[in-house]
Amino acid sequence: GQQLNQSPQSMFIQEGEDVSMNCTSSSIFNTWLWYKQDPGEGPVLLIALYKAGELTSNGRLTAQFGITRKDSFLNISASIPSDVGIYFCAGQSSGTSYGKLTFGQGTILTVHP
Amino acid sequence: GAGVSQSPSNKVTEKGKDVELRCDPISGHTALYWYRQRLGQGLEFLIYFQGNSAPDKSGLPSDRFSAERTGESVSTLTIQRTQQEDSAVYLCASSLLAGGSEQYFGPGTRLTVT
Repeated sequence: GQQLNQSPQSMFIQEGEDVSMNCTSSSIFNTWLWYKQDPGEGPVLLIALYKAGELTSNGRLTAQFGITRKDSFLNISASIPSDVGIYFCAGQSSGTSYGKLTFGQGTILTVHP
Repeated sequence: GAGVSQSPSNKVTEKGKDVELRCDPISGHTALYWYRQRLGQGLEFLIYFQGNSAPDKSGLPSDRFSAERTGESVSTLTIQRTQQEDSAVYLCASSLLAGGSEQYFGPGTRLTVT
């Protein structure tokens, strides 16, 4: 089945630093999404990408849909303490897998003030 | 309400008992999804309801798991004869369109099987 490899598994950074995380897949996705999950909460959608090569920003967050359709990255600039949480990539493909999202294992982000 | 709601927020049950988890999607959203999240893991797809079409049950791990949805409203996920490996957070999501990629999640139900 489809699998997403997300890296790094965890990051410890100082406030103000930039952060980069990425996801790679063994198969093609038509849509890439990035979610953030706080403890005890459901994931919250940060950015959705619909086209290969697309680069999209949402405030301090920037994400790109890889040209091969098998990867995506998320950058966070000038991190702040409230960026702490678990970040998940997710992909959606067409065909028999239409509808469901396949998730990466998550990147745990810790920001030291 | 404005978002997806789920109940109960926490459920502790004994091995072998049946449990029912409830999801209220965002009003007007056509599609509804159930996912399972084990501790420290990503989300695993369970089942997808798309309006009046047959649900996609391809992610259900065993025949002990079933789900129903009435129209475009509430859904219940039922786990029969619970096992300890069923312990996880069960998350529900909805999207405006059938097959929509922008899925909005509820807070989840944390299920603990003792």
